Amino acid sequence: KAGVTQTPRYLIKTRGQQVTLSCSPISGHRSVSWYQQTPGQGLQFLFEYFSETQRNKGNFPGRFSGRQFSNSRSEMNVSTLELGDSALYLCASSARAEGYEQYFGPGTRLTVT
Amino acid sequence: AQSVTQLDSQVPVFEEAPVELRCNYSSSVSVYLFWYVQYPNQGLQLLLKYLSGSTLVKGINGFEAEFNKSQTSFHLRKPSVHISDTAEYFCAGEIYQFYFGTGTSLTVIP
Repeated sequence: KAGVTQTPRYLIKTRGQQVTLSCSPISGHRSVSWYQQTPGQGLQFLFEYFSETQRNKGNFPGRFSGRQFSNSRSEMNVSTLELGDSALYLCASSARAEGYEQYFGPGTRLTVT
Repeated sequence: AQSVTQLDSQVPVFEEAPVELRCNYSSSVSVYLFWYVQYPNQGLQLLLKYLSGSTLVKGINGFEAEFNKSQTSFHLRKPSVHISDTAEYFCAGEIYQFYFGTGTSLTVIP
């Protein structure tokens, strides 16, 4: 079956703008998690959605938000972009029936100038 | 608090030599453990996982890991590495949410 897809793959924005990233999970997976990956901070958990409800949230400011739709697709939004938001944003989906592991998409590379 | 610690940020090793990447976890409850690999400009790919049962877990690409509850460790090993194993490796634990280590950059030297 098809893997996790993320769009767009690359994005360039300027400070102060907002951005929306999209993630389509593996068919049948109801849990979607988002991570920010930077060289300095490594992989940091943003939030997890399950059945359209935010189940867990990492330690990020309110500028970072997300949502999940009834078909399990998820979006994350970052408002008022800062230079430090430049990162690889990874989405992962999981289904408890498959042993808890997360399946990752290729990521969206966001550059803020 | 739950956490996962990778003890080595960079590991250089010669081709065909054995390698061990170290991972320790901290948890007061049962934890599920994973190793992922990330190649440049790609997402993470699952190498292996420990949920329960046998403490020696075999994964893809010849990797294996051993769950050691007394030492709270889950080290990754491969008896003979190849150039293609050069990548970033992440240890992760799952207790209600995923906790990732900071990663170990494995460089295989020809």
